[in-house]
Amino acid sequence: GDSVTQMEGPVTLSEEAFLTINCTYTATGYPSLFWYVQYPGEGLQLLLKATKADDKGSNKGFEATYRKETTSFHLEKGSVQVSDSAVYFCALSGSGYSTLTFGKGTMLLVSP
Amino acid sequence: GAGVSQSPSNKVTEKGKDVELRCDPISGHTALYWYRQSLGQGLEFLIYFQGNSAPDKSGLPSDRFSAERTGGSVSTLTIQRTQQEDSAVYLCASSLDRGISQPQHFGDGTRLSIL
Repeated sequence: GDSVTQMEGPVTLSEEAFLTINCTYTATGYPSLFWYVQYPGEGLQLLLKATKADDKGSNKGFEATYRKETTSFHLEKGSVQVSDSAVYFCALSGSGYSTLTFGKGTMLLVSP
Repeated sequence: GAGVSQSPSNKVTEKGKDVELRCDPISGHTALYWYRQSLGQGLEFLIYFQGNSAPDKSGLPSDRFSAERTGGSVSTLTIQRTQQEDSAVYLCASSLDRGISQPQHFGDGTRLSIL
């Protein structure tokens, strides 16, 4: 079945550091890929998405490129802020009824 | 607001009691999903509705769990004879349709605690 593997956290960075959170997936067919973010005490919010190979999703300075050859969708940001501290979930939506399969989440902690 | 609304936001109940969790999706969204978020299991799919039908119930963990959707809108997730392992945050999401490129929009969840 479909699966998503994310790097384990927490990831601890200083403000303005470069961020990479690795995500790889296993799926049949051609899934869509998503990053969701959960800020402390809040619900899941869509951060960005990509629906086909080589697409780049971007939002709020975050980027991720759909790499079919390496089955990856790594999240990057050039300069993190304290307000980026949250849990980040990589997810895919495959064939069938489009239910989301999530990774286990990666906590990001950014210190001033 | 125009987002997905869930109620109650918190529910504490005794083991063995029944609970009902409610979800109001975004208006016009035909697809509705329930997920469960727990420390040990992460985010797990429970059930999917297209309109009032539930073509995928594969994630429901036992026959104590059931759900319905009426009028193509509001959905209720019911857990009968609750057990301590049912403690989790139950999340509802909706999307415009079931296409795999459609993003799902989540509510803030119901935090269920079984004593």
